[in-house]
Amino acid sequence: TQLLEQSPQFLSIQEGENLTVYCNSSSVFSSLQWYRQEPGEGPVLLVTVVTGGEVKKLKRLTFQFGDARKDSSLHITAAQPGDTGLYLCAGGRGGSNYKLTFGKGTLLTVNP
Amino acid sequence: NAGVTQTPKFRILKIGQSMTLQCTQDMNHNYMYWYRQDPGMGLKLIYYSVGAGITDKGEVPNGYNVSRSTTEDFPLRLELAAPSQTSVYFCATQPPGSPSPLHFGNGTRLTVT
Repeated sequence: TQLLEQSPQFLSIQEGENLTVYCNSSSVFSSLQWYRQEPGEGPVLLVTVVTGGEVKKLKRLTFQFGDARKDSSLHITAAQPGDTGLYLCAGGRGGSNYKLTFGKGTLLTVNP
Repeated sequence: NAGVTQTPKFRILKIGQSMTLQCTQDMNHNYMYWYRQDPGMGLKLIYYSVGAGITDKGEVPNGYNVSRSTTEDFPLRLELAAPSQTSVYFCATQPPGSPSPLHFGNGTRLTVT
């Protein structure tokens, strides 16, 4: 079973602070997706990374895929209350990207 | 477009009862999935389908059944509900191509007492 370990599990910070959450595995993935889930809703895709070492930016969010494609990080600069939510990483394998493996998630709370 | 629609939003079942969770999509995606989400446990795949008439087991299929007679609909059936099936259930679709994103419904919160 391929596992994706996310850390930290919970994170509570003040508005304006920076933070990084991690997604680690002992297995290689062909792609890594990050989702954000708000209460009462389904997860929504933030970004997909496919190349080792790839960095993608989405406004104040920076995503990085590890060189060996076994890990990924999400960095948020100057967090805002609207960033509050559950962040999930999901790894895909091979040419068919179905049956993603999900991490357990990082629950982020940004306090005003 | 509605995307992925799940009904009902909430349901309380007694042990041993049965029910069907409905999922319908209007995006014409062949791939569809059922996940359950328990607190602190992420998303676990129950069943998936790569097209009408084709279904397969995921990681945690026991106690559930699915069917896929059309591209649009992918119902999840619970027979003889147990407290361990208390969870939030999400249906998702996926367009072709690799990698491609999952499109989730807003979930059904099920409590079995």
